[in-house]
Amino acid sequence: DAMVIQNPRYQVTQFGKPVTLSCSQTLNHNVMYWYQQKSSQAPKLLFHYYDKDFNNEADTPDNFQSRRPNTSFCFLDIRSPGLGDAAMYLCATRDGGGPHRVEAFFGQGTRLTVV
Amino acid sequence: DAKTTQPTSMDCAEGRAANLPCNHSTISGNEYVYWYRQIHSQGPQYIIHGLKNNETNEMASLIITEDRKSSTLILPHATLRDTAVYYCIVQNRDDKIIFGKGTRLHILP
Repeated sequence: DAMVIQNPRYQVTQFGKPVTLSCSQTLNHNVMYWYQQKSSQAPKLLFHYYDKDFNNEADTPDNFQSRRPNTSFCFLDIRSPGLGDAAMYLCATRDGGGPHRVEAFFGQGTRLTVV
Repeated sequence: DAKTTQPTSMDCAEGRAANLPCNHSTISGNEYVYWYRQIHSQGPQYIIHGLKNNETNEMASLIITEDRKSSTLILPHATLRDTAVYYCIVQNRDDKIIFGKGTRLHILP
């Protein structure tokens, strides 16, 4: 019973052609994250939402954008993918703001190939 | 930036306890220690977390030193399925989850 679902699992896009990755959750969590993970590296936080408040990491390129139309869905848009953007993209959710510290739930990721 | 230091890799024999250390010498009073692991080609998976006291669940135990500057994750009876990268993360009240480089744990048959 997947709770954080990323579609598709594998995505091939052309150099410079916009691509959108999607993430949905059934947990009703108010915090959602997007990470980029390149081969043999740790996940790197791109941005996160706390409810509808968008928090961009300082070193996230402008080429990466995000949308969160409602609690359940979050999208990662790469406006002009370059070869260096080939990576695994991970979505995660968390029930933030409560009195107790709780863990994050990750999706299985979307592996993006740029050709 | 990640606030933790972990060994790059470790080996453990199947059936033995795997003890994974983590240094977090700059941890502050309201920051929790979390452990996640990532099996190859999957998303990270939560293992355990703690603030001051030692914690145990069905997956692992977490031992936090009294000064809270370091901790150890213990997998009591490692199996081949425990081969993964283990991440120790210090998290404060903001919602960011920043990964360090982690420890690549190899369970040897």
